[in-house]
Formats: sequence, structure tokens, C-alpha cells
Amino acid sequence: GAVVSQHPSWVICKSGTSVKIECRSLDFQATTMFWYRQFPKQSLMLMATSNEGSKATYEQGVEKDKFLINHASLTLSTLTVTSAHPEDSSFYICSATDGRYGYTFGSGTRLTVV
Amino acid sequence: DAKTTQPPSMDCAEGRAANLPCNHSTISGNEYVYWYRQIHSQGPQYIIHGLKNNETNEMASLIITEDRKSSTLILPHATLRDTAVYYCIVRVAGGGNKLTFGTGTQLKVEL
Repeated sequence: GAVVSQHPSWVICKSGTSVKIECRSLDFQATTMFWYRQFPKQSLMLMATSNEGSKATYEQGVEKDKFLINHASLTLSTLTVTSAHPEDSSFYICSATDGRYGYTFGSGTRLTVV
Repeated sequence: DAKTTQPPSMDCAEGRAANLPCNHSTISGNEYVYWYRQIHSQGPQYIIHGLKNNETNEMASLIITEDRKSSTLILPHATLRDTAVYYCIVRVAGGGNKLTFGTGTQLKVEL
């Protein structure tokens, strides 16, 4: 079945630094990838949609200059949290689709900013 | 995409069937019903989806009412590993469309 690999699974960084999270589709070409954020005891909130080779489309209220998304190939999308602050601490999850079948999710990245 | 309503939590005894309801009274004719689940601190996992006919796979069964305004996900023999948050999502089929999650149902399977 379709597999999406997300790395790292957890990361701790200092306030003011940047963190990059990778999302790879291992056995299919992901024409579209999605990035979600999830706070404790809450549902997944969509942050942005990215199509290969195009600029990402951000949901209302999500700062595009803070959450940089790159989808340069059909198998890789990255989310960079720039100048991270404690309020950015959250569980970040990516999802990928090849446009034909369903959505496959990564295992998530736990970001803690100290 | 149509909005869905699910109970916030449910309990089920291990080995018994777990029946998770979902209301989607504003569903459109071209919208499918999808079910995902999320085990604690993991990414969501696809379970099943359907348009109007009942569906069954190795994980679960999906029963959709004739008017399509509600559906029920059935886990026939729940185990402790089925403890998770279950999300019912209604959307148009086809890749590229975003998947919007509601609050879901926290299912707790107990001995």
C-alpha cells in the first residue's frame, strides 16, 4: 500500500531557530501534499496545500512567511517553521495523494520549542 | 464540503461490535463518506469510504442510510488496539481536494 514517511518524528529546538520537517511518498508520486497541525486534545487543522512545482496555498490565518512549504518533487515536500516560538509547539502531520486514490498520512512530527 | 456531526466519545467492550454514528444531513449527491481513525500520537489511518451502497473491507463495514443523511461505521469485533479517535468526513471524490477533519469520536475499547 501507499506509504508516507515523515521525519523527524520528534524535535526539540530553541526559540528563534528554524526547523525543517520532511514528508516523502515512498511508493507513489504525490501530486498534492497537505500539512496539518494538531494541538493536544484537538482535531487536525489544515495549514496548507501544496502541488508539485507550485506555490503552496495556505489556509486563512496561517502565516506563509513563518511556515515555509516546498514541494519541489513528486515525492518530497518540506515544512520549515522559521523563527520558532513556544506557541509553535505542536504535532505536525503531512498527507499525500497521487490524485487518484485516497490520502496517506505520515506518522507526524512532535515539535517542542523551548 | 458537508459538515458532519459525531458523538464526542463512546465506550465498547472488547470483542463486541463498535457502532460509530455520523450525521451528514447536508451531504450533496457527489460527496462520499470517508472514515479515518487516529491512534494517539500517530497520523490518521484510512478505514473505509462509500457513496450510497454499504461497504465492507477487512477493517470495518460502512452502512449509509438510504437518504444518505447519516452513516454508521461498524467494527465487528473491537479490540483494545481499536481505541482511537474516529473521524467521519464528507467530501467530493478525487485527488487534490483537501480533507477537513471535524472533532471525531473518541472510542475507548475496554476489557
